[in-house]
Amino acid sequence: EDKVVQSPLSLVVHEGDTVTLNCSYEVTNFRSLLWYKQEKKAPTFLFMLTSSGIEKKSGRLSSILDKKELFSILNITATQTGDSAVYLCAVYDKIIFGKGTRLHILP
Amino acid sequence: EAGVAQSPRYKIIEKRQSVAFWCNPISGHATLYWYQQILGQGPKLLIQFQNNGVVDDSQLPKDRFSAERLKGVDSTLKIQPAKLEDSAVYLCASSLSFPANTEAFFGQGTRLTVV
Repeated sequence: EDKVVQSPLSLVVHEGDTVTLNCSYEVTNFRSLLWYKQEKKAPTFLFMLTSSGIEKKSGRLSSILDKKELFSILNITATQTGDSAVYLCAVYDKIIFGKGTRLHILP
Repeated sequence: EAGVAQSPRYKIIEKRQSVAFWCNPISGHATLYWYQQILGQGPKLLIQFQNNGVVDDSQLPKDRFSAERLKGVDSTLKIQPAKLEDSAVYLCASSLSFPANTEAFFGQGTRLTVV
């Protein structure tokens, strides 16, 4: 059965800390892995990863994929209270989402 | 560019009643998805359309859920009759094409409460 597992399920850190969110997957047909940020209802797109070892960066966020070990990490440096959200990992081809990591940043 | 539009934003119905949700994807997006997101869980794909054809509806409870995208643009998702466990946020998303690697853009969702 195809599955996407995210860890930790929840995380509370202080503003300024660095966090690493994990996503592992077991799917029959892998095309790409996507990270989304969900603050209220609509998930918003962060990154799409298709190749191993190539880091994608956007400001304080970065992500990398390891297709051999079947996982990805999402790093957030110098966290801010606005980073508080649920971070979702999704794997294409069948578009399977993990349960998400609920991140709470304390001021 | 206008985003994915969904309506209504909220809906409260009694069990065994019927309900319909509407979604208008981003203009030009051939692929449309309906997801069910139960509180505390990730979105679960219910159905995926490519234009007006169904690509994947393997997780759609077909005894009570139905969806259509007759003209390959907007779509409706219906539940008939609703059960308590259908309480969730129903998200619609669209992407340019499938299986090309393009991200999906999500609407604000419809929060359904079945009482």
